[in-house]
Amino acid sequence: AQSVAQPEDQVNVAEGNPLTVKCTYSVSGNPYLFWYVQYPNRGLQFLLKYITGDNLVKGSYGFEAEFNKSQTSFHLKKPSALVSDSALYFCAVRDTGNTPLVFGKGTRLSVIA
Amino acid sequence: GAVVSQHPSRVICKSGTSVKIECRSLDFQATTMFWYRQFPKQSLMLMATSNEGSKATYEQGVEKDKFLINHASLTLSTLTVTSAHPEDSSFYICSARSGGLYNEQFFGPGTRLTVL
Repeated sequence: AQSVAQPEDQVNVAEGNPLTVKCTYSVSGNPYLFWYVQYPNRGLQFLLKYITGDNLVKGSYGFEAEFNKSQTSFHLKKPSALVSDSALYFCAVRDTGNTPLVFGKGTRLSVIA
Repeated sequence: GAVVSQHPSRVICKSGTSVKIECRSLDFQATTMFWYRQFPKQSLMLMATSNEGSKATYEQGVEKDKFLINHASLTLSTLTVTSAHPEDSSFYICSARSGGLYNEQFFGPGTRLTVL
């Protein structure tokens, strides 16, 4: 069975500082990994994904994530946080079969001016 | 990316009534659609998976007679909450996937259901 762990419920960072939102996963085969962001009362917005290829994936709004197979991690990063980055972030995974995405519990990011 | 719409975006209904939520893939054919439910400050919980023309597959603990899912065409799926009760109040999000490369899932904007 697939699973995703986001160990932090909340991450606080000062504007302009780098941010990291952690994610580890478990799948039976090769993983497809995704990050989504959700603003209040809104649906999910796609940020980036890892399917294959380079371990460092660049996505929307300056975000990037690094796939680490040995640590089964896919942490989301941004070099310089903005107040507008404050939102709920979800990591998701599926295997290469015809399975739906499984989501982590989400991490609330708060960027303080 | 592909666009998925949901209608309505927000609905308030009385206890005991039924509510239908529509999910449409606007620019691609969705062979598979998923319905998720999100409680306040919690993650998305998969409710069911539906393939066009087939009966939906429900996750454990989801009442199929209460949450009726119809996926009659490659661009439309509906979720009907029957005899709604206040505990059904939630944010419902649909997702659609085509049969294309890597089978990426695209998400609708969600429907906020409030049952009084």
